[in-house]
Amino acid sequence: AQSVTQLDSQVPVFEEAPVELRCNYSSSVSVYLFWYVQYPNQGLQLLLKYLSGSTLVKGINGFEAEFNKSQTSFHLRKPSVHISDTAEYFCAVSEIGGYQKVTFGIGTKLQVIP
Amino acid sequence: GAVVSQHPSRVICKSGTSVKIECRSLDFQATTMFWYRQFPKQSLMLMATSNEGSKATYEQGVEKDKFLINHASLTLSTLTVTSAHPEDSSFYICSASPGMGDTEAFFGQGTRLTVV
Repeated sequence: AQSVTQLDSQVPVFEEAPVELRCNYSSSVSVYLFWYVQYPNQGLQLLLKYLSGSTLVKGINGFEAEFNKSQTSFHLRKPSVHISDTAEYFCAVSEIGGYQKVTFGIGTKLQVIP
Repeated sequence: GAVVSQHPSRVICKSGTSVKIECRSLDFQATTMFWYRQFPKQSLMLMATSNEGSKATYEQGVEKDKFLINHASLTLSTLTVTSAHPEDSSFYICSASPGMGDTEAFFGQGTRLTVV
């Protein structure tokens, strides 16, 4: 079984400031890692994913994340946020070699302040 | 890329009626699909795993007689919320699996169900 912990339920940040959204996971098997974004009243959009290879992953909208196996973390970062980044962000995992059943974290609400 | 279509995107129904939500994989076959539910201001929780040609597997606490899942073809799974009540109001989203391998899940757009 897997579990995902997002340590911050809400993160307020001023526009153009950097942000880091934290994610830790626990799993008895090897997993793939993902970050999804959900804008108000919309579905999920994949921001980025780690399947293998380089531990620094770049995604859409200027976001990046780094997989740290020893710390079982996959923190999401952006050097300069925009108002349009205001949304809910979900960290997620799925088992390697499986059928992509996803376990989500509780989500972090990113609030960008003008 | 793989496309999953979910319909309807929004539905309002009266208490006691049933609602059917469709999840289609448009450009690939999916022997396995998943149904998730998201209550307001909460995370997405897996409800059930839908397997083509066999019975769905439900997560603990999910009533299989209330949430009927049918996966009759390799591109279509349906979720029927029977005798809906206001507490069933939620965001339902499906994902389809193209099979085992190095890939992410492919999600539908989600369905916002409101029971009045």
